[in-house]
Amino acid sequence: GNSVTQMEGPVTLSEEAFLTINCTYTATGYPSLFWYVQYPGEGLQLLLKATKADDKGSNKGFEATYRKETTSFHLEKGSVQVSDSAVYFCALSPLSGGTSYGKLTFGQGTILTVHP
Amino acid sequence: DSGVTQTPKHLITATGQRVTLRCSPRSGDLSVYWYQQSLDQGLQFLIQYYNGEERAKGNILERFSAQQFPDLHSELNLSSLELGDSALYFCASSVGQNTQYFGPGTRLTVL
Repeated sequence: GNSVTQMEGPVTLSEEAFLTINCTYTATGYPSLFWYVQYPGEGLQLLLKATKADDKGSNKGFEATYRKETTSFHLEKGSVQVSDSAVYFCALSPLSGGTSYGKLTFGQGTILTVHP
Repeated sequence: DSGVTQTPKHLITATGQRVTLRCSPRSGDLSVYWYQQSLDQGLQFLIQYYNGEERAKGNILERFSAQQFPDLHSELNLSSLELGDSALYFCASSVGQNTQYFGPGTRLTVL
């Protein structure tokens, strides 16, 4: 079945540091890949997505590139802010077919804390 | 604001009881998904409806059921509640099988 593995957390950084959160996946075919963010006490917000190999998703200074050859979708940001403190989830959605059609499979989440 | 609404925001109930969680999708979205978020299981897909019909099923217990109504809102019914059912329940919606947008969630506490 499909699965997503994220780097173990939590991650603690100082403001303006470089961020990488690793995400690798197992899936048949060419799934769509997503990063969602969950701020304290809130629901999940879509951060960025990519739907095919070599696509780069970007939003609010965050980037992730769909790497088919390494089955990865690592999240990066060049300079984090205190307001980026949240839980980040990598997820995949199969394109079509089967009973898993449409559902999101999530990684376990990575807690990011940014200190001033 | 994603445009997906969920009620209630919090729900506290006792073991053995039954509750109903409600979700209104974004305007124009035909697909509704339900997810459970717990500390031990993480985020788990429960069930999907598309334009009133069940489309996909995940790790949903037999004590749980859902439906989508003609106005496209959805309800998740949880019965014979157990302590382990305490979790955050999220609803998401999408146009067809595209990007899913999540509601703020309902926090269920079973005492």
